[in-house]
Amino acid sequence: EIVLTQSPGTLSLSPGDRASLSCRASQTVDNNYLNWYQHKPGQAPRLLIFGASSRATGIPDRFSGSGSGTDFTLTISRLEPEDFAVYYCQHYGSSPGFTFGPGTKVDIK
Amino acid sequence: QVQLEESGGGVVQPGRSLRLSCAASGFTFSYYPMHWVRQAPGKGLEWVALISSDGTNKYYADSAEGRFSISRDNSKNTLILQMRSLSVDDTAVYYCARSDGYGFLYWGQGTLVTVSS
Repeated sequence: EIVLTQSPGTLSLSPGDRASLSCRASQTVDNNYLNWYQHKPGQAPRLLIFGASSRATGIPDRFSGSGSGTDFTLTISRLEPEDFAVYYCQHYGSSPGFTFGPGTKVDIK
Repeated sequence: QVQLEESGGGVVQPGRSLRLSCAASGFTFSYYPMHWVRQAPGKGLEWVALISSDGTNKYYADSAEGRFSISRDNSKNTLILQMRSLSVDDTAVYYCARSDGYGFLYWGQGTLVTVSS
């Protein structure tokens, strides 16, 4: 089973800043089956990026994903007020390959 | 539009059982594998279980194996999670989510399960 590690645990930034979130896998993620979700309190999680770099439907282009193998990055080019949330990476593979990382909280500095 | 609505959460004593439901609408339910995901208070997301579109294949996280049972009724567009031998560690918001082959695109709003004496 792939274990995902995310860093940093918390990122304190201001609106307009650039955010870079890291996700590292314990072994190679086949076919780059690595997703990113945004989660706000009281809401359902939202799929942002699938396949490491493809934006899900309706996701603004300020969100981008990159990486391969074991190292992946979610970048938010310019933070909007609504982007302050917790972000999770996920390995999406054959069962039991649906592991989530521990999350990175992006909060307002 | 796609809608998923969980129900059945509540307060339950340790060792007891609870049955969660997820009502699906706005899409052909029988076409899609479905998942349960949970989030304990102050913790991250944890995948719990998966069921194939026709219900024949089921997979569980280690934390759910042997205690939880996922099922579905495609005639009623309903996903079920039967939970037994609950412990305080099972306290969480439980979400159902649709599997789109590459990720969990659609989620319900969640139902809270509190295990407490």
